Amino acid sequence: QVQLQESGPGLVKPSETLSLTCSVSGGSISTYYWTWIRQPPGKGLEWIGYISYTGSTNYNPSLKSRVTISVDTSKNQFSLKLSSVTAADTAVYYCARRIAARPVYAFDIWGQGTMVTVSS
Amino acid sequence: AIQMTQSPSSLSASVGDRVTITCRASQGIGNDLGWYQQKPGKAPKVLIYGASSLQSGVPSRFRGSGSGTDFTLTISSLQPEDFATYYCLQDYNYPLTFGPGTKVDIK
Repeated sequence: QVQLQESGPGLVKPSETLSLTCSVSGGSISTYYWTWIRQPPGKGLEWIGYISYTGSTNYNPSLKSRVTISVDTSKNQFSLKLSSVTAADTAVYYCARRIAARPVYAFDIWGQGTMVTVSS
Repeated sequence: AIQMTQSPSSLSASVGDRVTITCRASQGIGNDLGWYQQKPGKAPKVLIYGASSLQSGVPSRFRGSGSGTDFTLTISSLQPEDFATYYCLQDYNYPLTFGPGTKVDIK
């Protein structure tokens, strides 16, 4: 079955760029919508954005100026870059697969999540 | 962005209880609403999509209903493994937005 696994540094300095990768195994990345979602400690979930199988992207306006999501189909991976980070970007970052084909709209497969702390 | 609210923010219940959680959208979203369950230290898991469709493998004691702006998740008979936080998600337009969550704990 399809599995997702996040990877990347667990500690990032303020003003630097957070970079995470999500590896997709057990299935092709060349379909569906591939998404990043984050959750600050003790708080709720925030949708960051997605990249589609066609390469189109859509970002949360609250983060849009700092976010880039890209895909490497040869490696079956997609990535998140978040620039100019502050302590407010400290969170667990999840990658997830989104089905968006009526009648099904859902994040049906999630990675385990990776904690990223922004601190000097 | 569409704002999602949930009530209650937390509740205490016993095994076997019927539990109802409400989610409200700041504007109409048709049936484009999902419910997710999250246990501590784990990723969320989809329970319901399209307001009332049960995700494959999810027990039938979970039921979603509603349309437009008001939605409900009902657990007909709470089981020990159901103690968790529940989030609604509007899938109607971007940016996708989650409700603040409802924590269900043991009474």
